[in-house]
Amino acid sequence: GDSVTQMEGPVTLSEEAFLTINCTYTATGYPSLFWYVQYPGEGLQLLLKATKADDKGSNKGFEATYRKETTSFHLEKGSVQVSDSAVYFCALRWAGSYQLTFGKGTKLSVIP
Amino acid sequence: DGGITQSPKYLFRKEGQNVTLSCEQNLNHDAMYWYRQDPGQGLRLIYYSQIVNDFQKGDIAEGYSVSREKKESFPLTVTSAQKNPTAFYLCASSYRGETTEKLFFGSGTQLSVL
Repeated sequence: GDSVTQMEGPVTLSEEAFLTINCTYTATGYPSLFWYVQYPGEGLQLLLKATKADDKGSNKGFEATYRKETTSFHLEKGSVQVSDSAVYFCALRWAGSYQLTFGKGTKLSVIP
Repeated sequence: DGGITQSPKYLFRKEGQNVTLSCEQNLNHDAMYWYRQDPGQGLRLIYYSQIVNDFQKGDIAEGYSVSREKKESFPLTVTSAQKNPTAFYLCASSYRGETTEKLFFGSGTQLSVL
C-alpha cells in the first residue's frame, strides 16, 4: 500500500542554518503531496502542498518540489528561525479520496 | 472566527470506562476525521465521515465508535475494548469533494489512562 517515509529526527539546527527534511513516498501513480507543521501542544496546520509533478509549494520561506522521478517531496528553508521549532509531517492524498497518509513526523529544534 | 474546537484538552480514563471526545466545527465542512497520534508513529486514521449520518472506518477503528448526527459535530468514543488508549487525538475537517485541499485540524485532546 501507499506509504510516506521521512528522515528521522530530531533535527537540531542553529538559527539561520539551512534546513532540509527528506520525504519520499511509495505509491502507484501521482498523488497530491503536503507538508503539515505541528507546534507544541497544537493540531496540525498545512504548510504547503503540490498537486502534480514538478509543482513547487512554498509558504513562510519553506519550499518543496514534487519530484516524480525520485518520488520525493523534500522540505527546505534557507534560513531557519527559533520560531520554526516544531514537528513537520509529510503526507499524500489521492484525488477522490478523503484519506491522508502521513509520515511519522520529524521534530525540528532551532537554537539561538 | 471559524474553526474546529476539541474538548477537553486533557482527559483521563479509568480501566473499563468509556470516554467521549468532543469535536465541533463551524466551517460548514462536510467531511470530518479522527486521527490518533502516538510518539514516533505519525498520525493514523480512526474514522471519517463525509456526510451526516454516515461514517467509515479508518486504519485503526477497533475499540472506537463515532456518530455524526449533526454536520457540525463528530464525537469519538473510546470504549473499554481499546486496550491502549493513551494517545493524542486530533479531529479534522475539510470540504467534501475538495480532496486535494487541506484539512483543518483542532488543537487535540490528550487521553491518559489512570
